[in-house]
Amino acid sequence: ETGVTQTPRHLVMGMTNKKSLKCEQHLGHNAMYWYKQSAKKPLELMFVYNFKEQTENNSVPSRFSPECPNSSHLFLHLHTLQPEDSALYLCASSQLTSGGGTGELFFGEGSRLTVL
Amino acid sequence: KQEVTQIPAALSVPEGENLVLNCSFTDSAIYNLQWFRQDPGKGLTSLLLIQSSQREQTSGRLNASLDKSSGRSTLYIAASQPGDSATYLCAVNTVGGGADGLTFGKGTHLIIQP
Repeated sequence: ETGVTQTPRHLVMGMTNKKSLKCEQHLGHNAMYWYKQSAKKPLELMFVYNFKEQTENNSVPSRFSPECPNSSHLFLHLHTLQPEDSALYLCASSQLTSGGGTGELFFGEGSRLTVL
Repeated sequence: KQEVTQIPAALSVPEGENLVLNCSFTDSAIYNLQWFRQDPGKGLTSLLLIQSSQREQTSGRLNASLDKSSGRSTLYIAASQPGDSATYLCAVNTVGGGADGLTFGKGTHLIIQP
């Protein structure tokens, strides 16, 4: 299997539930990302992992907890979410370059989250 | 702070027309610029990546140009087809931003009428 795969594709949860989103990349990249996409808003970067080390946390509420056990896997643990957290959550990966930038970004199909 | 603007926000044209989508950015110190398409409810699919040293990239009916000094990129779609209907996004990788130095535009929602 190639590319970036996300599971589950759809998730419905109550505000008191605990669930996790999973992402796996088969591209040998050294950086992985979580983005949030809400209706009529630009993509919002949530977390970045570079060689398993978190390098970015854009003021994301603590009810979202990322985990990166290795360079191929990324999780987003969800706990006591709010209805406004309903959105499409996208995982991506890329290869960071020696010059400091990032190469081509590859996205998964996304996990559509609905919080009741 | 890098800002990326895409114009128009929405576009509807008959099948067969050639069309141009625009992306502008405020900070010209970039590593690269990438164009994506997104179908409803799906992830983003990478179309073209232009490095800062390049002027254009081509893939099939798509041609992307980059004018770094003026902070502009265009995506040209030749002989448009209904299957091209999607939202097109550009993303700019700004120098000094590292792995999180990607800034996305809000996208252009494109409809190709059969």
